[in-house]
Amino acid sequence: DSGVTQTPKHLITATGQRVTLRCSPRSGDLSVYWYQQSLDQGLQFLIQYYNGEERAKGNILERFSAQQFPDLHSELNLSSLELGDSALYFCASSVAWAGEYEQYFGPGTRLTVT
Amino acid sequence: AQSVTQPDIHITVSEGASLELRCNYSYGATPYLFWYVQSPGQGLQLLLKYFSGDTLVQGIKGFEAEFKRSQSSFNLRKPSVHWSDAAEYFCAAGAGSYQLTFGKGTKLSVIP
Repeated sequence: DSGVTQTPKHLITATGQRVTLRCSPRSGDLSVYWYQQSLDQGLQFLIQYYNGEERAKGNILERFSAQQFPDLHSELNLSSLELGDSALYFCASSVAWAGEYEQYFGPGTRLTVT
Repeated sequence: AQSVTQPDIHITVSEGASLELRCNYSYGATPYLFWYVQSPGQGLQLLLKYFSGDTLVQGIKGFEAEFKRSQSSFNLRKPSVHWSDAAEYFCAAGAGSYQLTFGKGTKLSVIP
């Protein structure tokens, strides 16, 4: 158990809908990262927050957004969902924002868009 | 562009045999290097990491990895594989910043 929690574990929704994925980092970690894992693209970095502020953006679509709240939990919002958005979404956390700090991954949320 | 390559998509070994999973990186400078393992339906677990210093690093579950600057490689090894090691293994790299670049993964199957 990494200490990172993600809810829900599974999510099935229809195209065009909007969903919210939630992540709670390990106690004491200030950085939260979101990744998308799909069969064709592998693990792709989406976005990072550090202590409530957006720190870095990766391959995140404009239909996707995220935020980190004062209690440090984070939410990833996915809107206007398409079939291709079906994937595993991972949240990871680390103590700081720099690259040398290892990231601890949550169990993931499996999103299925039908 | 920064990249991490895991040349082997799938490897099958017999239980008790030795294992080596390959990882090559392409970065402007020596990156921080990591190996993660993902069991089916699970998140990624960190096995080991290399930042600097000794080029042979030890990790959890009996794994080790060797950093070779001249070959831009960071191969993962285990002297004797157990059936519970069957999983997917990801090599990742980061360079001074926050974003990790992952390889496509190598799926390990273990024959009893």
